[in-house]
Amino acid sequence: GENVEQHPSTLSVQEGDSAVIKCTYSDSASNYFPWYKQELGKRPQLIIDIRSNVGEKKDQRIAVTLNKTAKHFSLHITETQPEDSAVYFCAATGANNLFFGTGTRLTVIP
Amino acid sequence: NAGVMQNPRHLVRRRGQEARLRCSPMKGHSHVYWYRQLPEEGLKFMVYLQKENIIDESGMPKERFSAEFPKEGPSILRIQQVVRGDSAAYFCASSPPLRQPEQFFGPGTRLTVL
Repeated sequence: GENVEQHPSTLSVQEGDSAVIKCTYSDSASNYFPWYKQELGKRPQLIIDIRSNVGEKKDQRIAVTLNKTAKHFSLHITETQPEDSAVYFCAATGANNLFFGTGTRLTVIP
Repeated sequence: NAGVMQNPRHLVRRRGQEARLRCSPMKGHSHVYWYRQLPEEGLKFMVYLQKENIIDESGMPKERFSAEFPKEGPSILRIQQVVRGDSAAYFCASSPPLRQPEQFFGPGTRLTVL
C-alpha cells in the first residue's frame, strides 16, 4: 500500500517568513495530493490540493509543488501569520482512501 | 449547505461498553470514510462506505469494530466492548459522487474510555 512520509515534524518561523513542508510517497499510481490544516481540537480542513497532471498550484499565500518522477510534493506558505500556526498534514490517494503523513506542527512566532 | 456532521462530539465510555458514532455526509455526497486519530498522530484510514455497501474495510480492526451506511440515516461506526486503547478522535469524511477525490471532514468524535 501507499506510504507517505512528512518532514519536518515541527517547524518554527518568524512572522513574515516562509515555511516549507515536504512529503514523499511510494505508490506511483497515486494521482491526488491534498494538504490539510488542523487546529487544536478541530477538524482537518482542506487548504489546497494538486493532481498528478499538474506540477504546481498556487492560492494566495500557499502553493504546492509536485514532482512525480521523484515522488515528492511540498507545501509552501509565504508571508506567514500567527493564524497559520497549526498542524499540517499531507496525503496521497490510495485505492479507496487517503494515506496521511504524520503531520508538521507549524508555529509562527509574532 | 451544511458540512459533514458528527455526533456526539465527545463520548465517554467505561471498558466493556459499546460506543456508537454517527456521521451525516455533506448534502449530495454519497461516499463516507472513517479515520482514527490518536493524540499527536496522523489520521489512519479505517473504512470506506457507500449507501448500503462497505467498499473497503482494510483499515478496520477485525474484532469489535463495525460500520454501516444504511439507505436512510447516518453512517454509524460501532465499537463493541471498548478498551482504553480505543480512546482517540474518530473523524468521518465525505466526498461527492463519481469518485471525485476531495474529502471533507466532520468535526470528529472524541472517545474517551475510562
